[in-house]
Amino acid sequence: GIQVEQSPPDLILQEGANSTLRCNFSDSVNNLQWFHQNPWGQLINLFYIPSGTKQNGRLSATTVATERYSLLYISSSQTTDSGVYFCAVGRNTDKLIFGTGTRLQVFP
Amino acid sequence: GAVVSQHPSWVICKSGTSVKIECRSLDFQATTMFWYRQFPKKSLMLMATSNEGSKATYEQGVEKDKFLINHASLTLSTLTVTSAHPEDSSFYICSATRTSGNYEQYFGPGTRLTVT
Repeated sequence: GIQVEQSPPDLILQEGANSTLRCNFSDSVNNLQWFHQNPWGQLINLFYIPSGTKQNGRLSATTVATERYSLLYISSSQTTDSGVYFCAVGRNTDKLIFGTGTRLQVFP
Repeated sequence: GAVVSQHPSWVICKSGTSVKIECRSLDFQATTMFWYRQFPKKSLMLMATSNEGSKATYEQGVEKDKFLINHASLTLSTLTVTSAHPEDSSFYICSATRTSGNYEQYFGPGTRLTVT
């Protein structure tokens, strides 16, 4: 099956800093989503981005499908950005395989 | 749009009893619903996929007789943990994809199950 690796596993930032999270996957995909899991466990959809670039406020994402990676950019981080960020992928199916996650802590 | 609810949000039960968790798509019809399990500080693991009116498809290693899934309508799926044991304690999360749309999944808030 497809392997999904995320880096870094942990990230500590001061408020206002920028960061880049990476998701590598081992096979071609036609489904890729980024999620933020808040401290209460809720997964919040950030981007549905099997290819290309999207932006939503301080967040943006880029997926280079041919090179099998996706990047999530967080600019001007805030304490409310803290939590775990997951990348999840799928190929010719609506099933998702989740990555290992990046745990982000933003301090004031 | 694309809101998914789960009930209950947390439940404590005794060993040997059964617990039912409901997953509802509130503002859309869901072709497919998924059930995941998440252990503390770990990623999500897919347990099963359910389509309305069909039997669920379970992932390898998931006991279908222990985790009963019913998808009775396009807006409701239920997961019943039968004869629960302490090792079944976990965070269970459901998700759904729209009947008309791409593969994007929308997630419920999760149910924390503790078996004593």
